[in-house]
Amino acid sequence: ETGVTQTPRHLVMGMTNKKSLKCEQHLGHNAMYWYKQSAKKPLELMFVYNFKEQTENNSVPSRFSPECPNSSHLFLHLHTLQPEDSALYLCASSQEPTGRQTEAFFGQGTRLTVV
Amino acid sequence: ILNVEQSPQSLHVQEGDSTNFTCSFPSSNFYALHWYRWETAKSPEALFVMTLNGDEKKKGRISATLNTKEGYSYLYIKGSQPEDSATYLCAFIIQGAQKLVFGQGTRLTINP
Repeated sequence: ETGVTQTPRHLVMGMTNKKSLKCEQHLGHNAMYWYKQSAKKPLELMFVYNFKEQTENNSVPSRFSPECPNSSHLFLHLHTLQPEDSALYLCASSQEPTGRQTEAFFGQGTRLTVV
Repeated sequence: ILNVEQSPQSLHVQEGDSTNFTCSFPSSNFYALHWYRWETAKSPEALFVMTLNGDEKKKGRISATLNTKEGYSYLYIKGSQPEDSATYLCAFIIQGAQKLVFGQGTRLTINP
């Protein structure tokens, strides 16, 4: 148990659906992240939020829309996805943006399948 | 494009044996290197955060070394146990950035 909770754990959605992934942490961390892991690829950073402000968007298509209403919650809103967006989406948090002093704490991920 | 390479991609080790694997990263503008363990159906969990050339860190039977000048880190596991079976990820941070660039991982299987 890392203290980072993601829901749902599994999601199947059609290409015309709109859905949201939720991430919650009560570790008192100030930075939160969305990562994507596609089959046979490394974990890839999507977004970084620091003190609720987005500080990094790693050229992510606009069909993925993040939201960080407070330091404890992070959402990823999904709309008009493509089958190639099927992947494991991992949320993480850290005390400050990951670097020399702080490691990331990960959730268990949401396995997304787009049909 | 920053590339972090891990080798081997997968490894089978007999219980009780010791093993090691490698993470290679760009040697310029080094800031930090992280090691994570990711067990199946669980979350990735941090093992080490390494920042200084020559760093050696240890947690139980697992240890890691860092060479920033040549751009590599080794992870060692002594006396492997079945619970060590997992994917081991390394992640590199370049100076001025706040993002982890991950390698593909080494999948370790310990055979009883």
